[in-house]
Amino acid sequence: NAGVTQTPKFRVLKTGQSMTLLCAQDMNHEYMYWYRQDPGMGLRLIHYSVGEGTTAKGEVPDGYNVSRLKKQNFLLGLESAAPSQTSVYFCASSSYRGGTDTQYFGPGTRLTVL
Amino acid sequence: GIQVEQSPPDLILQEGANSTLRCNFSDSVNNLQWFHQNPWGQLINLFYIPSGTKQNGRLSATTVATERYSLLYISSSQTTDSGVYFCAVGGSARQLTFGSGTQLTVLP
Repeated sequence: NAGVTQTPKFRVLKTGQSMTLLCAQDMNHEYMYWYRQDPGMGLRLIHYSVGEGTTAKGEVPDGYNVSRLKKQNFLLGLESAAPSQTSVYFCASSSYRGGTDTQYFGPGTRLTVL
Repeated sequence: GIQVEQSPPDLILQEGANSTLRCNFSDSVNNLQWFHQNPWGQLINLFYIPSGTKQNGRLSATTVATERYSLLYISSSQTTDSGVYFCAVGGSARQLTFGSGTQLTVLP
């Protein structure tokens, strides 16, 4: 049981390049989330999904797109990377079972945009 | 949106000491979670506690939803408790809003 996994762990992009971050969970959770964490700050929600085929915007969605074609996967895309998107990206998943809605996090992806 | 304030921002303790971390929030919530981010960046969920009191070993948490605050207690602290502690809250939507965290350093 791997929990939540993220690929890649590190990536360096040049301004204007595109990339996709992959999140996978094996806990059969309905809900999945993408956050970004900037130095000295808490996490901010980018996009989230309440089920396969559905996505919604979070607090800071601009410059990102997401897709959830399969229940276990949640993809985060950057179409044209900017230096302001340099950050650590975390994926999380949760399921409202037994009266709790605990979020479980992946290990993070450190992205640098030059 | 909901505002979340955590205090203190930084805390330095000697091993074996006790501490209390506070989280204030600006609106009613139905979701409140405490997380520990270790020095390697991994986020671990400590408690799901929108109301009431829970305990897990040396850690316990209390949320008084009517007064819009939550407390995280760490007893007999160990060096492995070092890291950043985040409080995150949510209302009727699925979104969690995180506080800025409390940086805890436990000295041997």
